[in-house]
Amino acid sequence: DVKVTQSSRYLVKRTGEKVFLECVQDMDHENMFWYRQDPGLGLRLIYFSYDVKMKEKGDIPEGYSVSREKKERFSLILESASTNQTSMYLCASSTSRGRISYEQYFGPGTRLTVT
Amino acid sequence: SQQGEEDPQALSIQEGENATMNCSYKTSINNLQWYRQNSGRGLVHLILIRSNEREKHSGRLRVTLDTSKKSSSLLITASRAADTASYFCATDAGRGSTLGRLYFGRGTQLTVWP
Repeated sequence: DVKVTQSSRYLVKRTGEKVFLECVQDMDHENMFWYRQDPGLGLRLIYFSYDVKMKEKGDIPEGYSVSREKKERFSLILESASTNQTSMYLCASSTSRGRISYEQYFGPGTRLTVT
Repeated sequence: SQQGEEDPQALSIQEGENATMNCSYKTSINNLQWYRQNSGRGLVHLILIRSNEREKHSGRLRVTLDTSKKSSSLLITASRAADTASYFCATDAGRGSTLGRLYFGRGTQLTVWP
């Protein structure tokens, strides 16, 4: 079974702190994604990566950056956390063949609270 | 935006009844997927239907796709209390797709009462 793990289930940080959210997948997937989920807004894509050291902005990249130094690991960085970044963060991975989309496998989520 | 829209936003039924959720989208697609999310957890993939398919079954799930109307439906037959969850449809953007990216709707919250 594909497994996607996220470093924390719950996280509480203070405004202005630099926050790292880690995601690891064990299926050698090329694509990895970071979403945030807020009530009434569904899943919104922050960043995604289709290869090591490659990244693409999603719909809401402002205030975030990402890092993918190894194929299995995709990190989301909040450079200076703000209260409006309090949310559920979901990581996902998928295989890739050209532009065809495949099933995405999700981690359990990290509920981040910024106070 | 290609984001799908699920309808209804919330659905409440009794155990044993069927649940039908609908999804509409805006542009051409290669495939459409349905996911389930239990409260406070990650999403789990349920079923994928390709643009050249009209219907697909998986256990108690039946998905239909009408590309002329840009819509899909998910039917859960003989619902159980354990089916209580949020259900999301997700599409790619067809020829405009970017490297496996999916566009998710806002979800239908299904509650199944014992």
